[in-house]
Amino acid sequence: SQTIHQWPATLVQPVGSPLSLECTVEGTSNPNLYWYRQAAGRGLQLLFYSVGIGQISSEVPQNLSASRPQDRQFILSSKKLLLSDSGFYLCAWRLATDTQYFGPGTRLTVL
Amino acid sequence: AQSVAQPEDQVNVAEGNPLTVKCTYSVSGNPYLFWYVQYPNRGLQFLLKYITGDNLVKGSYGFEAEFNKSQTSFHLKKPSALVSDSALYFCAAQLGDYKLSFGAGTTVTVRA
Repeated sequence: SQTIHQWPATLVQPVGSPLSLECTVEGTSNPNLYWYRQAAGRGLQLLFYSVGIGQISSEVPQNLSASRPQDRQFILSSKKLLLSDSGFYLCAWRLATDTQYFGPGTRLTVL
Repeated sequence: AQSVAQPEDQVNVAEGNPLTVKCTYSVSGNPYLFWYVQYPNRGLQFLLKYITGDNLVKGSYGFEAEFNKSQTSFHLKKPSALVSDSALYFCAAQLGDYKLSFGAGTTVTVRA
């Protein structure tokens, strides 16, 4: 069966510091991968998605970037965090036209 | 624009009573529709989906949803709610080949 991991689970970072969040999927090949941000426990904002290694689509221009160095690894990064980057970051995977499945999330607080 | 609407921010029901969470969609073509549930500080859990076929879809934890094409709705239902069903519920519709459009979410509170 497939599993998705995200780490770290929680992160507190100062403004202006770099960020790297990692997402990995096990038990599947060539998944579509997604990064979402959820602010204030409500709506989901799609940040990036990837349909293959090195292929990244950005949905919202912002302070973040994403990379997919391996088939089942998706990384969310920032060179300099802003206060507004605080939120709950969710990674998801999907095969073909099937369901998206979500990871446990990373709670990021920027101080 | 293609979108999903959840008209109620909050739904409050007593344990044992029926639970309904509403969702309407505006999506071209034949929509793929999904329901997810989120508990505090957790990722979204998949409950059920409608792709094609029977308009009544059964999912996890006793939930079901009814697809109504004429009303462009996909309401989530549970005949007898439990306190443990208290959570945030999201409706979503597939856009194109890759992306989902999510509703804003409905907070369900089931009182004992």
